[in-house]
Amino acid sequence: DIQMTQSPSSVSASVGDRVTITCRASQDISSWLAWYQQKPGKAPKLLIYAASILQTGVPSRFSGSESGTDFTLTISSLQPEDSATYYCQQADSFPLTFGQGTRLEIK
Amino acid sequence: EVQLVESGGGLVKPGGSLRLSCEASEFTFSSYTMNWVRQAPGKGLEWVSSISSTSSYIFYADSVKGRFTISRDNAKNSLYLQMNSLRAEDTAVYYCAREGNFGYSSGYKPYFDYWGQGTLVTVSS
Repeated sequence: DIQMTQSPSSVSASVGDRVTITCRASQDISSWLAWYQQKPGKAPKLLIYAASILQTGVPSRFSGSESGTDFTLTISSLQPEDSATYYCQQADSFPLTFGQGTRLEIK
Repeated sequence: EVQLVESGGGLVKPGGSLRLSCEASEFTFSSYTMNWVRQAPGKGLEWVSSISSTSSYIFYADSVKGRFTISRDNAKNSLYLQMNSLRAEDTAVYYCAREGNFGYSSGYKPYFDYWGQGTLVTVSS
C-alpha cells in the first residue's frame, strides 16, 4: 500500500500569513493527489485534484504543487474560515490512502 | 444541488451486522463511481470501498475485505454497504462519496467531489 505522510501534524498561523502543508508519498504516484479540507462535524471538501487543479468554487488563495513524491498545499493569505484539518489523498492505485491530517489553527 | 444522504448507522454488538444506505439525488447516479470512506472518532479518513457505475469494478480496503459488501441499485439511486462480523475498530462515521468526472486532466483517477453528512456506526457490547 502507498503510505502518505503529512507534515506538520498541526500548525498555527495568523490571518494574512502564507501557510504550507506537505504530503510525501512512499512511492511514485505521478500527479494523482488530492487535498481536502474538513471542519469539525462536517464532511471533507475537495480543494485540489491532480496535485494542482483547483476544484470549482475553491478560493484562489489555495494552490497545490508537486516535486517528485512531495506535494504541497499552500494558502497564500490565511483567512479565519480556513481553520480546519487538511488531508491529502493518493489516487494512483487501490487501496486509496489518505495522509494523517494537518490541523490548522488561526492565532 | 447534489445530495448524498446516508442512513442505517447505530449501535451494534461485536460480531453483529448492519446495512448502510446512501440515497443520491440531483445528479445522474448511474453515471458515477461511488465510494464509502470512514472516520473513527477523533481520527483521520480511511477509504473503505469503491463500486463502479455498473458494478463491474469493486474494490475493498484490506481491513474490511471478506466482511463488508458494497452494492448499488441505480434504479433507486442508492448505494449500500453491508457490514458483517463487525469489530470495535469498525466504529466510525461512514461517509458515502461520489467520484468526480474531471476528464483527461484528472487522469480519470478517483477524487471525491461530493460527500454525504455521514452516519455513525458504533460497535460495542
